[in-house]
Amino acid sequence: GNSVTQMEGPVTLSEEAFLTINCTYTATGYPSLFWYVQYPGEGLQLLLKATKADDKGSNKGFEATYRKETTSFHLEKGSVQVSDSAVYFCALKGLGNEKLTFGTGTRLTIIP
Amino acid sequence: GAVVSQHPSRVICKSGTSVKIECRSLDFQATTMFWYRQFPKKSLMLMATSNEGSKATYEQGVEKDKFLINHASLTLSTLTVTSAHPEDSSFYICSASTIAGSTDTQYFGPGTRLTVL
Repeated sequence: GNSVTQMEGPVTLSEEAFLTINCTYTATGYPSLFWYVQYPGEGLQLLLKATKADDKGSNKGFEATYRKETTSFHLEKGSVQVSDSAVYFCALKGLGNEKLTFGTGTRLTIIP
Repeated sequence: GAVVSQHPSRVICKSGTSVKIECRSLDFQATTMFWYRQFPKKSLMLMATSNEGSKATYEQGVEKDKFLINHASLTLSTLTVTSAHPEDSSFYICSASTIAGSTDTQYFGPGTRLTVL
């Protein structure tokens, strides 16, 4: 079945540091890949997505590239801000209209 | 953007009682709602999918008689945990979609923390 493995947290970085949160997946066929973010007290929000190999999703300075050869979708940001502190979830959706499969989430804390 | 609310945000109950959790789409009509649960340091696990006006579709291993889902209107779905036990303690999250059955356009609620004593 489908599965998502993401970097365990918590991750603590200083403001303006470079961020990478690793995510790898197992799936049959060619799934769509997502990153969701959950800010304190709020629901999960879609951050970015990619639907085919080599696609790059980007939003709010975050990027992730769909790498089929390494079955990865790592989240990166060049310079993090305190406001990026949140929990980040990697997820995939299989072919057709299948359910979302989530990773365990990575808590990110940015200190000034 | 689209907002989904959940009520209550936190509930503590005694073993054997039933608890109802509400999920509302505040500014859009949700043809499909999803219910998830999340254990500490675990993934969100889909429990069931419900379309307005029809019976919910439960994932394998989820007891439909224990987790009653009602989606009577386009803006409200409820999850009732019947005869709750300590092992039902978890974080329950709902999401709503504006396109029937689509999982690409899900909007998530903030979650409900259930503790069963």
